[in-house]
Amino acid sequence: GAVVSQHPSWVICKSGTSVKIECRSLDFQATTMFWYRQFPKQSLMLMATSNEGSKATYEQGVEKDKFLINHASLTLSTLTVTSAHPEDSSFYICSARDLGGIEQYFGPGTRLTVT
Amino acid sequence: KNQVEQSPQSLIILEGKNCTLQCNYTVSPFSNLRWYKQDTGRGPVSLTIMTFSENTKSNGRYTATLDADTKQSSLHITASQLSDSASYICVVSLMEYGNKLVFGAGTILRVKS
Repeated sequence: GAVVSQHPSWVICKSGTSVKIECRSLDFQATTMFWYRQFPKQSLMLMATSNEGSKATYEQGVEKDKFLINHASLTLSTLTVTSAHPEDSSFYICSARDLGGIEQYFGPGTRLTVT
Repeated sequence: KNQVEQSPQSLIILEGKNCTLQCNYTVSPFSNLRWYKQDTGRGPVSLTIMTFSENTKSNGRYTATLDADTKQSSLHITASQLSDSASYICVVSLMEYGNKLVFGAGTILRVKS
C-alpha cells in the first residue's frame, strides 16, 4: 500500500512554455502533499506544502507565480512550471501524507529538461 | 539552525561486506528520524522511522540506531548486495511546522562485485 505516482516521468520542453506535473496517491487519501526539487548530487529541497482545498504554502525563495500548485482533491496535486527556463531543469519529486499520519510517501519523480 | 550532516559523502565496498553510514543532527524540536534509500532517478523509499524513545530498528539487512542524547544515528547494512548501490538519506522531522522534514545531503554507496 501507500503508493504515490507521478506523471510524466520525464519531460522535455522549450524555454518559455509551461509544464504540468501530476502527483497521485493511489491507495490512500492524501490530505497533505509536498513538492520537492532535487538538483544533481544534491538532496531534496522542499518547494511547497499543499493541503487539500487550500492554497499552498511556499518555502522562502520559491516563486509562487512561477510554480503553481493545485491540490483540488484528496488524491491529486499538480505542479505547473510556468514560462520554464533552462535553470528550471531539475528532478521534481512529490510526496503525500494521509490525515494524522507521520510518514511521507514519495513519488518516483519527474525529470524536467528545458531547452 | 536545523541541520542534518551525513558521513561519509560516498563509499565503495565489495559485495557481501558490511558498512555503516553516519548521521548527526541539530534539529529541534525533534519528532522522528528516518532513513531513506534513493536509487538514481527515482524517489526516496523509506527504510526506517524512529522516534526519540527508540534506540534501534531493523528492516531486513538494514539496521538503524539512534542516540537522542548525542543526536547521532547510524545505518548499518549487512551482507551488501549490488542492488544496495544507491544514495542513503538521513531525514529528521521537526515536531512543529507540520512535521517538516530536514534532509541530509546523503551518502552515495556503491557496491562492487
